[in-house]
Amino acid sequence: GAVVSQHPSRVICKSGTSVKIECRSLDFQATTMFWYRQFPKKSLMLMATSNEGSKATYEQGVEKDKFLINHASLTLSTLTVTSAHPEDSSFYICSASVSATQQFFGPGTRLTVL
Amino acid sequence: GQNIDQPTEMTATEGAIVQINCTYQTSGFNGLFWYQQHAGEAPTFLSYNVLDGLEEKGRFSSFLSRSKGYSYLLLKELQMKDSASYLCAVRDGDYKLSFGAGTTVTVRA
Repeated sequence: GAVVSQHPSRVICKSGTSVKIECRSLDFQATTMFWYRQFPKKSLMLMATSNEGSKATYEQGVEKDKFLINHASLTLSTLTVTSAHPEDSSFYICSASVSATQQFFGPGTRLTVL
Repeated sequence: GQNIDQPTEMTATEGAIVQINCTYQTSGFNGLFWYQQHAGEAPTFLSYNVLDGLEEKGRFSSFLSRSKGYSYLLLKELQMKDSASYLCAVRDGDYKLSFGAGTTVTVRA
């Protein structure tokens, strides 16, 4: 199946710093990628839809200035958590649609803000 | 908004069958997905239903009734490695996925 990678897999940072998470589709091109966050034992919550070559579409309640998304190419989308605070600590997962019936997920990035 | 309900936890014995139910109310419908997620890992695709009926894939089967807003995932011949969280997700009219909170299945020897 299609492979989606994320980097880094785990990051610990100090409060106030910015963290960039990369999402790559390794063997296919993805015009659309999705960013989710997941709290422990909770559901995945869609944060935004990342569109190659255009601005991301954010879900209600997600601060676009806080979570910057850049979809620079057909194989790369990045999520930057700016001025991170402890409440931003979470599991961030990206995904890409391969077809109408399948959406493949990256392995996730565990962010811990001290 | 979207409303997707599934049980929080289920426990079953190795070799047994478990059925995980999912009910949903969404604005528009473009398919229902089931994913398996092990702790600390990303979800992996299990099944997709867009028409009413049963889809069978080896030990896993998924059923959909659009009129009832209902689906179930059936796991047969349970193995220890099947212990995981199972997520029901509905794609709405805007082709966005909304997830249920997940059902944690524990398989006991």
